[in-house]
Amino acid sequence: TQLLEQSPQFLSIQEGENLTVYCNSSSVFSSLQWYRQEPGEGPVLLVTVVTGGEVKKLKRLTFQFGDARKDSSLHITAAQPGDTGLYLCASLRGSTLGRLYFGRGTQLTVWP
Amino acid sequence: DAGVTQSPTHLIKTRGQHVTLRCSPISGHKSVSWYQQVLGQGPQFIFQYYEKEERGRGNFPDRFSARQFPNYSSELNVNALLLGDSALYLCASSLVRGPRTDTQYFGPGTRLTVL
Repeated sequence: TQLLEQSPQFLSIQEGENLTVYCNSSSVFSSLQWYRQEPGEGPVLLVTVVTGGEVKKLKRLTFQFGDARKDSSLHITAAQPGDTGLYLCASLRGSTLGRLYFGRGTQLTVWP
Repeated sequence: DAGVTQSPTHLIKTRGQHVTLRCSPISGHKSVSWYQQVLGQGPQFIFQYYEKEERGRGNFPDRFSARQFPNYSSELNVNALLLGDSALYLCASSLVRGPRTDTQYFGPGTRLTVL
C-alpha cells in the first residue's frame, strides 16, 4: 500500500521546459524526502524538508513542503537530459527510524 | 569512502528455490534496512536492523528473513521463491542521527528474477 501518492506517474518533455511533480498524502509527516533513481542504481537523496511551508532550492530544482505537512512538490526549471530518472518522495513518518515509506514515483524523461 | 555495496548484482532463480542477498553498509553505519522494489513501484520496506537486532519489519511473509553480523553487514534470505518475488532488492544504511533527519544511503540493488 502506497501511503504517498505521486503525480504524474510519467512525464516526457523537451529540454528547456519546466515541470512540477507532486507528492500527496492524507497523513501528516514529520519530514519528507525526495530521491532520484537512475536505471541500475539505488535512490539518491536530493533533499529533506522538515518544516511546514519550507522551500529548498538545489540548483534548478525547487522543493516545497506543504503548510500542513501532507504534501510536497518538486519543480524543475529548464530541464536537461541529465534530469531524466525516477523521482521518488518518501517519509520517515514519525519516529520510526530506518523505515521509509515511498511513493510510486514519477518517471521523468527529458529529450534533447 | 566506499558506498553501500550489494552482491550479487543479478540473480536468476526458479520457483521454490531460496536466495541469499548480501549488503555491506557504509563504514560507521550501524543501521541497515532492506527494501523490495517491484517494477513500476516505489521501494517497499522489508526489514531494519540496528546493532544486530531487528528493529522493524514490513508487511512481508515469513519466507523473508534477515540478519545483521557483528561487522554490521547484513543478509536477506527468501525461501520458497514465488514469481512475484522478482524485484530489485535494495539495501540502505544510515547513522541513525534522529527521526526527522535520518539519511539513508542506498546500494545499487540486487536484481532478482524468479522463473
